[in-house]
Amino acid sequence: QLQLQESGPGLVKPSETLSLTCTVSGGSISSSDYYWGWIRQPPGKGLEWIGSIYYSGRTHHNPSLQSRVTVSVDTSKNQFSLELTSVTAADTAVYYCARHRVGAGSTPLSGWFDPWGQGNLVTVSS
Amino acid sequence: QSVLTQPPSASGTPGQRVTISCSGSSSNIGTYYVYWYQQLPGTAPKLLIYRNNQRPSGVPDRFSGSESGTSASLAISGLRSEDEADYFCAAWDDSLSGPVFGGGTKVTVL
Repeated sequence: QLQLQESGPGLVKPSETLSLTCTVSGGSISSSDYYWGWIRQPPGKGLEWIGSIYYSGRTHHNPSLQSRVTVSVDTSKNQFSLELTSVTAADTAVYYCARHRVGAGSTPLSGWFDPWGQGNLVTVSS
Repeated sequence: QSVLTQPPSASGTPGQRVTISCSGSSSNIGTYYVYWYQQLPGTAPKLLIYRNNQRPSGVPDRFSGSESGTSASLAISGLRSEDEADYFCAAWDDSLSGPVFGGGTKVTVL
């Protein structure tokens, strides 16, 4: 059974860089059927897609965050990672990693997220 | 302000049928599949419905999805106490060039 687990610090200072890693177990990250995504949820609020990466390294990001986001993949470790620079209090959220099903045709990211990791609460505060 | 619009809350008594709406536009629901996620308190979201009306293995058939035009719905029949959760709809959006989510609907079992 495929499982994902986020890891990283729970507290980041304003203006610094948030870094998280997602470790995939029970299956290979090098599958042609899936991207690997990051989604966040501010406390008490809804879900926001951050970005997704294919095992080849091809990435797609939410345009609203694109200038601050880097998503990378390490197939040898079956891991993918997120970096978000210049964080502010507005970036405080639970960050989830998830497997992202490839969609059809010209919209490869139009598939669903399943399964999800348990989430990692990141608080931005000095 | 979410791209997909859901009512903030819905409720019902055990055994009742509850329906949650998700309103979008031609750039998302009107063109692409809709997905539904269930988030039990304190846990990560879980896929409930994919491709408008398909249930993953293990999801009870009390949960059903439908889509019409630029709107979609999730129905829960035979409501049970363990269905108390937040429910989110999602779809690809051409304007964002990415997946978008509804604001979520909190279902309460009275």
